Amino acid sequence: DAGVTQSPTHLIKTRGQHVTLRCSPISGHKSVSWYQQVLGQGPQFIFQYYEKEERGRGNFPDRFSARQFPNYSSELNVNALLLGDSALYLCASSPGTGNYEQYFGPGTRLTVT
Amino acid sequence: GESVGLHLPTLSVQEGDNSIINCAYSNSASDYFIWYKQESGKGPQFIIDIRSNMDKRQGQRVTVLLNKTVKHLSLQIAATQPGDSAVYFCAENSWSNTGNQFYFGTGTSLTVIP
Repeated sequence: DAGVTQSPTHLIKTRGQHVTLRCSPISGHKSVSWYQQVLGQGPQFIFQYYEKEERGRGNFPDRFSARQFPNYSSELNVNALLLGDSALYLCASSPGTGNYEQYFGPGTRLTVT
Repeated sequence: GESVGLHLPTLSVQEGDNSIINCAYSNSASDYFIWYKQESGKGPQFIIDIRSNMDKRQGQRVTVLLNKTVKHLSLQIAATQPGDSAVYFCAENSWSNTGNQFYFGTGTSLTVIP
């Protein structure tokens, strides 16, 4: 079975632009979570979605938004990009929102110049 | 606010020795704890988890210990191998007024010396 897939792999954007990152969960998984990982630090939780509804939100500004589609894939949108948004964006899928093992994708490396 | 932190940022061990990676957490309401391994250029990989109603759980060559009294979590790796070299993160899961939350520590870099 395919693991969690993310696209694109790498992305370079300019300050003030908007970006959309995509994630496809493992088949059968209904929950997707998004994380931001700055170099040298642990992942920071951004959102969790389950059955198209937001089930958790981390401490990120409103410039960050996400949604989940009927096929359980998900998009993370970031508006008005700042230099500090440069990071590895990770997506993780799990069967549900409870105490389930999360499977991470390889991430999207975003560079804001 | 909640925090999950690691006592040692780096750890070097001889191949074949046992490794112990420690983690402190501050949210006593957290009910699920997870250890992840992250290799360079890859996403975190699940190693082992433990629920708050347990104090020990064993997997293949790994053991997680949870001490709720002092809010401490540890990962023990038996007979450490070169392939175990990676950054290890502890994470906790809890609920807040904004829903489900996951907090990761800053990570410990484990280097296995052949």
